[in-house]
Amino acid sequence: GNSVTQMEGPVTLSEEAFLTINCTYTATGYPSLFWYVQYPGEGLQLLLKATKADDKGSNKGFEATYRKETTSFHLEKGSVQVSDSAVYFCALSRGGGYQKVTFGTGTKLQVIP
Amino acid sequence: SAVISQKPSRDICQRGTSLTIQCQVDSQVTMMFWYRQQPGQSLTLIATANQGSEATYESGFVIDKFPISRPNLTFSTLTVSNMSPEDSSIYLCSAADGSNEQFFGPGTRLTVL
Repeated sequence: GNSVTQMEGPVTLSEEAFLTINCTYTATGYPSLFWYVQYPGEGLQLLLKATKADDKGSNKGFEATYRKETTSFHLEKGSVQVSDSAVYFCALSRGGGYQKVTFGTGTKLQVIP
Repeated sequence: SAVISQKPSRDICQRGTSLTIQCQVDSQVTMMFWYRQQPGQSLTLIATANQGSEATYESGFVIDKFPISRPNLTFSTLTVSNMSPEDSSIYLCSAADGSNEQFFGPGTRLTVL
C-alpha cells in the first residue's frame, strides 16, 4: 500500500536558518505529492504540490522537488521566519482529488528569534 | 478552489453521548472525506462521504460508530456516537473538486470527558 515517511521532529531552528524536512514515499505508479502545513490551532492548508517526476512545487519561499529515482519530496526553505512555526505534513495521493490522501506523521517546526 | 467551514469548531462532551459535526462547502464538489487527527498524530481517513449513497468506510471504522450523511453536493455531517475519551481528536472534513488537490476545513476539536 501507499505510505509516507518523514523525519521526526520537533525541529528547532533560529530565524533565517536553512530548513530541510525529509520525506520519502512508497506508492505504485505515479502519485501526486503534497506538503500541507498546520499552524497552531488551525486546520490544514496546502503549501505546495507536484504531480510528476522532476516537478518543483514552490510557495511562500518553500520548495520541494519530486524525485522519482529516490522516491523523495524533501521540503526546503532558505531562510525561515518565526511565523513558519507549524506542523508540516508530507502526503501523497494516487492521482486526482478523488483519491484519498495518505499523510506522513508530521514534523513540528519551531523557529526561535 | 473550495472554502470549507465546520461546526462546531470545538466541543467538550460527556462519555456515552453523541456529537454531530457539520461540514459546508462553498461550491458543489464531487467527493467529501472525513479524517481524524488524534493528539500528536497524523491524519487518518475515516470514510468517504458519497452523495446519494452510503459512505465508504476505511478499515477500523464502522458506520454504527461514525454515521455519515451527504444529502447534497455541498454538505455532509459526521456523528461520533457513544463517545469515550479515546474519541478525543480533531475531526477534519475535506472536499475534492477533481483537480489534484483536496481542500480541508478548519477542523473540529473534540474533547470527551
